Amino acid sequence: NAGVTQTPKFQVLKTGQSMTLQCAQDMNHEYMSWYRQDPGMGLRLIHYSVGAGITDQGEVPNGYNVSRSTTEDFPLRLLSAAPSQTSVYFCASRRGQNTEAFFGQGTRLTVV
Amino acid sequence: GENVEQHPSTLSVQEGDSAVIKCTYSDSASNYFPWYKQELGKGPQLIIDIRSNVGEKKDQRIAVTLNKTAKHFSLHITETQPEDSAVYFCAASTPGTYKYIFGTGTRLKVLA
Repeated sequence: NAGVTQTPKFQVLKTGQSMTLQCAQDMNHEYMSWYRQDPGMGLRLIHYSVGAGITDQGEVPNGYNVSRSTTEDFPLRLLSAAPSQTSVYFCASRRGQNTEAFFGQGTRLTVV
Repeated sequence: GENVEQHPSTLSVQEGDSAVIKCTYSDSASNYFPWYKQELGKGPQLIIDIRSNVGEKKDQRIAVTLNKTAKHFSLHITETQPEDSAVYFCAASTPGTYKYIFGTGTRLKVLA
């Protein structure tokens, strides 16, 4: 099992550009989430999904879109990148509520 | 909304000494409290978790204690080793919310 796979690992964008961060898991987990990690602010939840076709907003959803068309994939879309979106992004999946979350290796995004 | 406070933000200990990291949560309905370790350049990994019907849980050199009345829980690492150096995150989960709320992290340095 590969676990949770995120691509790309690094990305530089210009302000206003759009892009999609990919996340895939092969553990047949229902729950998937996107977090951003900023110095001194821990892991903040952007969007999450409790199953295919179901998504909801987390703490900091503005500027990001998600979709969940399959159990395996949960892409995060930046609509119009801003320097404030410079961060490290983590995707996580888990089997259900109150179970271990498995994280990807992260995507370091810089917006200039 | 739910909030998790974590202290200290940095902690340096001598090899062999103990380390304690404390977290306080705001939602008294929270019932699941995992701890994650994040090594440099990697995603967080679960090291131990505790549910609200248990006051303490141990796994070798790691233990977690929960005080529901005071709404705080702590991570205890005994006989620290250099490989314990990492960033540690606490989290709390409330039934029905599907979300883990993370603390801001503690950078632990174990000095040889």
